[in-house]
Amino acid sequence: DAKTTQPPSMDCAEGRAANLPCNHSTISGNEYVYWYRQIHSQGPQYIIHGLKNNETNEMASLIITEDRKSSTLILPHATLRDTAVYYCIVRVAYGGATNKLIFGTGTLLAVQP
Amino acid sequence: GAVVSQHPSRVICKSGTSVKIECRSLDFQATTMFWYRQFPKQSLMLMATSNEGSKATYEQGVEKDKFLINHASLTLSTLTVTSAHPEDSSFYICSARDRQGPYNEQFFGPGTRLTVL
Repeated sequence: DAKTTQPPSMDCAEGRAANLPCNHSTISGNEYVYWYRQIHSQGPQYIIHGLKNNETNEMASLIITEDRKSSTLILPHATLRDTAVYYCIVRVAYGGATNKLIFGTGTLLAVQP
Repeated sequence: GAVVSQHPSRVICKSGTSVKIECRSLDFQATTMFWYRQFPKQSLMLMATSNEGSKATYEQGVEKDKFLINHASLTLSTLTVTSAHPEDSSFYICSARDRQGPYNEQFFGPGTRLTVL
């Protein structure tokens, strides 16, 4: 079973920041928070991941609360091409074959013109 | 970034035939590859985990004799859907883990759309 809870859908105006929340209240100390997105009929695309510090890359920022029970993915300037299903997944970074990415239902982000 | 390819991207076959889908990591070595299935308007469901040179580990409810997985090299895994039926029609996605990546990053292929008539 997925260990995360996300809203099923969100809207965002083009050019505005998109803030996607994720709850992971049962996260373990050695589990990272990963974000992937899936544009319609494509394979998932890696966005960002973090353990406890906030992270930023060319695609997005990841804000993790101090207690690590929730996080927010921020797309600073959403475009129409960011319309996709966004998945928040918790996973141990290291490990063997049992270290799997299990997808929940995700959030469908619809960027509106 | 790391690239994972799948072939074919689309396949249509008759009921009862077998279909093979290839998954390749193009610029990295992957000791572990994963196969997912996605039905319309649903999330990805993990089918199996394959490790190079050993037997695949199947998730509960996935028939290993129907979905044959071979991971013969560090860059290639194949999924064969045997005796396919219309209910096997789905979007099949593979994923490969970069064995040398600092965080065991997992990269996904573009998917294969299987339609069984």
